[in-house]
Amino acid sequence: QKEVEQNSGPLSVPEGAIASLNCTYSDRGSQSFFWYRQYSGKSPELIMSIYSNGDKEDGRFTAQLNKASQYVSLLIRDSQPSDSATYLCAGSFSGTYKYIFGTGTRLKVLA
Amino acid sequence: EAGVTQSPTHLIKTRGQQATLRCSPISGHTSVYWYQQALGLGLQFLLWYDEGEERNRGNFPPRFSGRQFPNYSSELNVNALELEDSALYLCASSFLPSTSWLAKNIQYFGAGTRLSVL
Repeated sequence: QKEVEQNSGPLSVPEGAIASLNCTYSDRGSQSFFWYRQYSGKSPELIMSIYSNGDKEDGRFTAQLNKASQYVSLLIRDSQPSDSATYLCAGSFSGTYKYIFGTGTRLKVLA
Repeated sequence: EAGVTQSPTHLIKTRGQQATLRCSPISGHTSVYWYQQALGLGLQFLLWYDEGEERNRGNFPPRFSGRQFPNYSSELNVNALELEDSALYLCASSFLPSTSWLAKNIQYFGAGTRLSVL
């Protein structure tokens, strides 16, 4: 059974701080990972994608993938109250394009 | 360019009835994915259609079924509705024939259909 796990939170950080969101997965055959942001009552919106070991940066966001440790993370620098949302980690595994999602981490950025 | 569109936005049914949810992918996208997001749970993969064929199915009973039409739009049918089927149903699309890794693997989501079973 392929699984993706996240801490449900809430994770509270002050405005301007770095928010660190983590995700672990159980299948070593994993191909790629995706971070989606979901505001309450809205559809998921893609933030970052990563498929190679290491870091990938895009603006205030950095995704990190460590396949040996089966660990994916998302760092949000200079967190803003508008970043308050649920962040979903999804994995796409070998042989299929379907996503396996974690339960999501609720982030609260305090003004 | 229009994104993924889903209809209806809300659907209220009673136990035992059937529900039909519809999804139109982004223009040019050939794959459609269906997910269920029940309250307090993560998104659970339901079904994947590509080029009119069912490619993969999640761990859901057979009363969850669907199809993909020649224009790549899709329909999700839920028969014999149960109270626990109440959830947000999300549709996503992607373009598998692309040579771009990003285009193949990124899924774009619609706004969802909220199904309430009374």
